[in-house]
Amino acid sequence: EVQLVESGGGLVQPGGSLRLSCAASGFSFSSYWMSWVRQAPGKGLEWVANIKHDGSDKIYVDSVMGRFTISRDNAKNSLFLQVNSLRAEDTAVYYCARVYSTYYYMDVWGKGTTVTVSS
Amino acid sequence: IQLTQSPSSLSTSVGDRVTITCRASQRISNYLNWYQHKPGKAPKLLIYGASSLHFGVPSRFSGSGSGTDFTLTISSLQPEDFATYYCQQSYSTWTFGQGTKVEVK
Repeated sequence: EVQLVESGGGLVQPGGSLRLSCAASGFSFSSYWMSWVRQAPGKGLEWVANIKHDGSDKIYVDSVMGRFTISRDNAKNSLFLQVNSLRAEDTAVYYCARVYSTYYYMDVWGKGTTVTVSS
Repeated sequence: IQLTQSPSSLSTSVGDRVTITCRASQRISNYLNWYQHKPGKAPKLLIYGASSLHFGVPSRFSGSGSGTDFTLTISSLQPEDFATYYCQQSYSTWTFGQGTKVEVK
């Protein structure tokens, strides 16, 4: 079964850091671009970052550039999002998703991990 | 690229035909995808490339459009279709529309 499972969320103070993880199974992880998408409470979906299948290309939404870092370990079928200098507006459910690179759509999603930034 | 969905919400009944539009602020060819999202669940891909039905998605869902104007249609709404629907463009730096919540009338 194709599956993505996120972990690593939690409660963190403003300015703090977390490392989100996404464990992939059931497919050839190293062949796919991967994404992180988030949803703040009461808001819509917001794309956060993409990483190429070999990690050689990374793209971010402007609001997280310089604070968030996407990475992957293909040997461990894992995707990561290092989130630093957290702000209240980063509070959200963070989803990882597999990207199918024809038309670049997200065809498999995890159930998400929740990050809450509060003092 | 900004995506504007309309309506933002709609109240409808089982069996109704539902149409949601998504307008892009510049031309995006057919790099437009549609997702369904229910509270507490993972989003689900419905349509990719503006009009291609994702594997396993019921045929009552369809998509059309190219350039700047796109449409998601549900031909006969089923109880499991009450959800929020998002368009997303992958032509350049990705963006989502603001969402359309489909509610029970």
